[in-house]
Amino acid sequence: GIQVEQSPPDLILQEGANSTLRCNFSDSVNNLQWFHQNPWGQLINLFYIPSGTKQNGRLSATTVATERYSLLYISSSQTTDSGVYFCAVNDNNNDMRFGAGTRLTVKP
Amino acid sequence: DGGITQSPKYLFRKEGQNVTLSCEQNLNHDAMYWYRQDPGQGLRLIYYSQIVNDFQKGDIAEGYSVSREKKESFPLTVTSAQKNPTAFYLCASSSQKNTGELFFGEGSRLTVL
Repeated sequence: GIQVEQSPPDLILQEGANSTLRCNFSDSVNNLQWFHQNPWGQLINLFYIPSGTKQNGRLSATTVATERYSLLYISSSQTTDSGVYFCAVNDNNNDMRFGAGTRLTVKP
Repeated sequence: DGGITQSPKYLFRKEGQNVTLSCEQNLNHDAMYWYRQDPGQGLRLIYYSQIVNDFQKGDIAEGYSVSREKKESFPLTVTSAQKNPTAFYLCASSSQKNTGELFFGEGSRLTVL
C-alpha cells in the first residue's frame, strides 16, 4: 500500500520562528489533507490540498503531486501552534492513510 | 452548528466487557469512518461506511463491530475479542469516500482496567 512519511518527527521552536514540515508519499494521490491535533486530541482541518498552494493566515501549504510531496509552512509560530501535525493521503482503495506525524513544540 | 459528535469522551471498562462508542454527524455526509490512535502513533482505519446499511472492514477490524442504520449515525462496538482495546478512537465523515474532505469528531478515550 501507499507509504506516507513525515519529517521531522519532532521539532522544537522558539516563539516567532518559522518552520517547514514535509510529507512524502509513495504513489499518486487525488486527496491530501493536513491536520493539527491539539493537546486534547482533536484533529483540526488545516488544508485540503491534493495539488497547488493554499494560504490561511500564518499557515500555507504546497503540494507537488508529480514529485509526491507536500510542505506545510508555519510562520511566526505561537505557543498555540504546538501539537502534532498529520498528513493524510488516499490510497488505491481511496482509504485515507496517515503519516506518523510531526510533533511541534513552540516555547515562549 | 454542523459537526460530528462523539460520546462518551472518556470511558473505562473491565476486561471481558463490550462497549459501544457513539458517533453522530449532521453534515449530511454519506461516508463515515472509525480510526484508532495509539500513543505517539498515527491513525489506523477500523471500519468505514459509504452508505446506509453498508460498511467495510479497514486495516484493524478484528474485535470491532459497527452498524449504519441511519445516515447520521455510525456506532462502534469494541468487543471482548479485541485484545488491546485501550486507545483513542476517532470518528470522521466526508461527503464522499474518494475525494471528500475528512472531518473529525473530538474523540473517545477508552481505558480497559
